[in-house]
Amino acid sequence: DIQMTQSPSSLSASVGDRVTITCRASQGIRNDLTWYQQKPGEAPKRLIYAASSLQSGVPSRFSGSGSGTDFTLTISSLQPEDFATYYCLQHDSYPRTFGQGTKVEIK
Amino acid sequence: QVQLVESGGGVVQPGTSLRLSCTTSGFTFRDYAMQWVRQAPGKGLEWVAAISSDGTIKYYADSVKGRFTVSRDFSKDTLFLQMNSLISEDTALYFCAKAWKTRYASGTSDMDVWGKGTTVTVSS
Repeated sequence: DIQMTQSPSSLSASVGDRVTITCRASQGIRNDLTWYQQKPGEAPKRLIYAASSLQSGVPSRFSGSGSGTDFTLTISSLQPEDFATYYCLQHDSYPRTFGQGTKVEIK
Repeated sequence: QVQLVESGGGVVQPGTSLRLSCTTSGFTFRDYAMQWVRQAPGKGLEWVAAISSDGTIKYYADSVKGRFTVSRDFSKDTLFLQMNSLISEDTALYFCAKAWKTRYASGTSDMDVWGKGTTVTVSS
């Protein structure tokens, strides 16, 4: 099984900050990686697919990069509505595996 | 507009069974693989099961293999998760999710649309 190691598990940031979250796969997964945002009581929302493609309707302050084993989600200027938990998902093979999540909190 | 609506959750005792349903609309159900994902209270997302677009190929997480069965009804555009021998660790919010890519596309697919989930609580 492919393990996804996501870091940090939580972070505190201010509005306007640049935020970076990383996911590392235990083996190469090409660009078969998706980033989701989840707010309390809601379903996950797809932000980035194929490692770096922005989901339609998602603000351009979100971006993704990486290929193979190392991936990054960047929020260029954190907005109040971005405080949430973020997960990466590898879909290179079964079983699908998620990162542990990163909770982005207000500083 | 694609919609996924889960139902069938509830409070059950350990060792019993439950069947979850995911009613779909707004897309051609037979063209897409479907997935179940769960989230225990205060925890992260855990992938549970997947079924191919034609229903012939199924995958399961080790934690549910042999106890859970995923299936789909093309006449009702509905996805199911039959859960047997439930244990307390199965307590979670269960989401169904639609694959992004159709069965005609190459490569693997993530999930683009999710339902709001249905809650399963296993407790004596």
